[in-house]
Amino acid sequence: GIQVEQSPPDLILQEGANSTLRCNFSDSVNNLQWFHQNPWGQLINLFYIPSGTKQNGRLSATTVATERYSLLYISSSQTTDSGVYFCAVLYGAGSYQLTFGKGTKLSVIP
Amino acid sequence: ETGVTQTPRHLVMGMTNKKSLKCEQHLGHNAMYWYKQSAKKPLELMFVYSLEERVENNSVPSRFSPECPNSSHLFLHLHTLQPEDSALYLCASSQDVGNTEAFFGQGTRLTVV
Repeated sequence: GIQVEQSPPDLILQEGANSTLRCNFSDSVNNLQWFHQNPWGQLINLFYIPSGTKQNGRLSATTVATERYSLLYISSSQTTDSGVYFCAVLYGAGSYQLTFGKGTKLSVIP
Repeated sequence: ETGVTQTPRHLVMGMTNKKSLKCEQHLGHNAMYWYKQSAKKPLELMFVYSLEERVENNSVPSRFSPECPNSSHLFLHLHTLQPEDSALYLCASSQDVGNTEAFFGQGTRLTVV
């Protein structure tokens, strides 16, 4: 099956700093999503981005499908950005199973 | 109510109990999913329903029994669970199976004692 690797596994930021999270995948994908899991467990949709670049406020994402990676940018980080960020991909004809990476745990300190 | 709603948020059950998890989606989607998130492991797909028909059962033990009475509701019936089944159970929905954006509920944190 497809491998989804996220880096770094852990990240500690001072409030106000910028960061880049990376997701590498081992095969062509039909769909890629970024999620933020808050401390209560809920997965919050950030981006649905199988290719190209999108921006939403302080967050933006870029997926380069031909090179099999996606990047999530967080600018001017806030303590509420803390949590685990997951990349999930859908691959293969007729597939409906999202394959998740292990996540990046982000801690933003005041 | 918007999005995907799961109840209860927390559940503690004994190994001989029977309980059910409930999921409701208000997005008009046709596909619904159960995922399991155990400590230190990636999310794992358990079941997929499309238009109330099960399309995937990812080698899940029979002590987990899903039910999808209509396209808006999904249940996970639990019986004779083991302590290693303790996990966060997440429900999701998407417009259709495959190639569409998935939306997740808040999850049910299950502890089996």
